[in-house]
Formats: sequence, C-alpha cells, structure tokens
Amino acid sequence: DGGITQSPKYLFRKEGQNVTLSCEQNLNHDAMYWYRQDPGQGLRLIYYSQIVNDFQKGDIAEGYSVSREKKESFPLTVTSAQKNPTAFYLCASSIWRGGRMNTEAFFGQGTRLTVV
Amino acid sequence: EDQVTQSPEALRLQEGESSSLNCSYTVSGLRGLFWYRQDPGKGPEFLFTLYSAGEEKEKERLKATLTKKESFLHITAPKPEDSATYLCAVQDPTGFQKLVFGTGTRLLVSP
Repeated sequence: DGGITQSPKYLFRKEGQNVTLSCEQNLNHDAMYWYRQDPGQGLRLIYYSQIVNDFQKGDIAEGYSVSREKKESFPLTVTSAQKNPTAFYLCASSIWRGGRMNTEAFFGQGTRLTVV
Repeated sequence: EDQVTQSPEALRLQEGESSSLNCSYTVSGLRGLFWYRQDPGKGPEFLFTLYSAGEEKEKERLKATLTKKESFLHITAPKPEDSATYLCAVQDPTGFQKLVFGTGTRLLVSP
C-alpha cells in the first residue's frame, strides 16, 4: 500500500538535545512538507521541498532543519535552538504541479514530540 | 491577518441530526480549497478538493460546497463514527503548494 510513514510515533527530548523525525513516502510524490500542530492552532508550515536537494523555509522554520537527499525521504531535525518544541509534527507529500492549480496533500500519522 | 476561519469551533449532534460546518476564507484568486478529517492523535485524512465557486463534491454522508467567500461541509444523518475534527485549508496565494489551515471544527456525534 502506498503511503507516508512517520517514525517514531512518540519522541521524548531532553533540553539541549537535537532530535530527528523520520518521514518516508512511497507515493512517488515530488513535493514533501513538514507541519507543526499545537492545540487551538491551525497546522503551521515548517519546511517544504519541491524536488530532491532543494527545500524552502515555511512560516516557522527557526530552530528546525531538513534535508532532501532522496525523493522518498524528508527528515526533520528539531535543534536545541527551537525554544518550544513540544508539539505534534506532521509530514505530508503531494504531486508537484508548476501551474496555478494545487493538488491535495496526503499526511502521515504524525510524531508527538515532548521535551522532558 | 487570518485567511481561513472555521465555525463553529465545536459541534455536538445527535445521531441522524444533519448540520453544516463553515469555512470562510479571505484569499483572492483561490487556487484550491481542501477539506480534511482528523481523528485524535492521527494525521489528517484527505476528503475533498474544490477549485471554483459552485463546485460540489460528495462522499457518503459528506457534501462539500464552495462559494466565492466560503465553503460548507454538510453532514447528512451523521453517525458516531463521523466524530472527528474537520479541517479546512486553502492554498497560500503567495506561494505554490503551501496550504493555510483553519483551526478546525470538533464534531461529536452522540448515539
């Protein structure tokens, strides 16, 4: 079955540590995204990537880093510079169309990160 | 400036009691409006894409409609398994493929 796999489902981080969240897709999608979800707020875009070896900052990129070395993979690192990292992190992918019309994004099951 | 506003924040229905959820948006030149369903602790599940005013999409008990300023998700004769948070998103007019999400409507359907 095609889909998006995020791991781990739960992650605990100590103060000052960097942690990496995994996201893998087998949908053959060009575009991949990372969103953050906090209670009472809409999903907010952290980073996105249209093609391999290229990515752009979203609205809340400070304290995060990404890489896109393979089409299938888009890992997110939460660095110690991120002051409030406790949140639910969602990875998504979509077909990339260069024209005006967007296409729907499909999401993974999320990683809940907690700072301890 | 809020681009996507969903109402109500929460809605409680009895099984079989039909209702509608609202998503109003302020972006100009809409490139796409998306509805998702999200269960607690899970990722959003794609439901519908709407591109132009007057467009309608249906799936089981759900029907999404679109006007120039808002979209409605109509739920006909809901069942308890329809309980979830329903999210609306529009494409950010400043960038391709960037979605701007509302805060969602939490729906609870009681038997």
